[in-house]
Amino acid sequence: GNSVTQMEGPVTLSEEAFLTINCTYTATGYPSLFWYVQYPGEGLQLLLKATKADDKGSNKGFEATYRKETTSFHLEKGSVQVSDSAVYFCALSGAAGNKLTFGGGTRVLVKP
Amino acid sequence: GAVVSQHPSRVICKSGTSVKIECRSLDFQATTMFWYRQFPKKSLMLMATSNEGSKATYEQGVEKDKFLINHASLTLSTLTVTSAHPEDSSFYICSNMGAGEGDTQYFGPGTRLTVL
Repeated sequence: GNSVTQMEGPVTLSEEAFLTINCTYTATGYPSLFWYVQYPGEGLQLLLKATKADDKGSNKGFEATYRKETTSFHLEKGSVQVSDSAVYFCALSGAAGNKLTFGGGTRVLVKP
Repeated sequence: GAVVSQHPSRVICKSGTSVKIECRSLDFQATTMFWYRQFPKKSLMLMATSNEGSKATYEQGVEKDKFLINHASLTLSTLTVTSAHPEDSSFYICSNMGAGEGDTQYFGPGTRLTVL
């Protein structure tokens, strides 16, 4: 079956540091890949997505490239802010019924 | 994107009572919605797929008689936790598929259920 593995947190950074959150996946076929962000006490917000190999999703300074050869979709941001503190979830869609498969989530804490 | 709301955002109830959570698709008609459960500091667990006008499809291990799902209109799906117990305390989140966006899901703000 499909699965998503992402690095465990928490990841603690200083403001303006570079952020990378690794995400690898196992799936049959050609899944779509997503990054969602969850702020404390809230639901998930779509951060970015990519639907085919070599696509780059980007939003709010975050980027991730769909790498089929390495089955990865790593999230990066060049300069984080305190407001980026949240939990980030990598996910893929490809199962029947458009179900999402989530990674375990990575908590990011940005300190001033 | 799609806009999804949930009500209530927070509910506290006594053991043995039933609680209904509403999930609304605000800006388009959603034939399919999803219900998830999230434990503290954990990832989301899909509970069921809610289909407008038909029975929900439950994931393995989810009790359909305990978690009743009704999707009576294209903008509203409800999850009723029946005979709630403290172990049902959790964060419940719904989602829908964005109109014309393939398999992208948009999530509601979640409902925090605490069963005393």
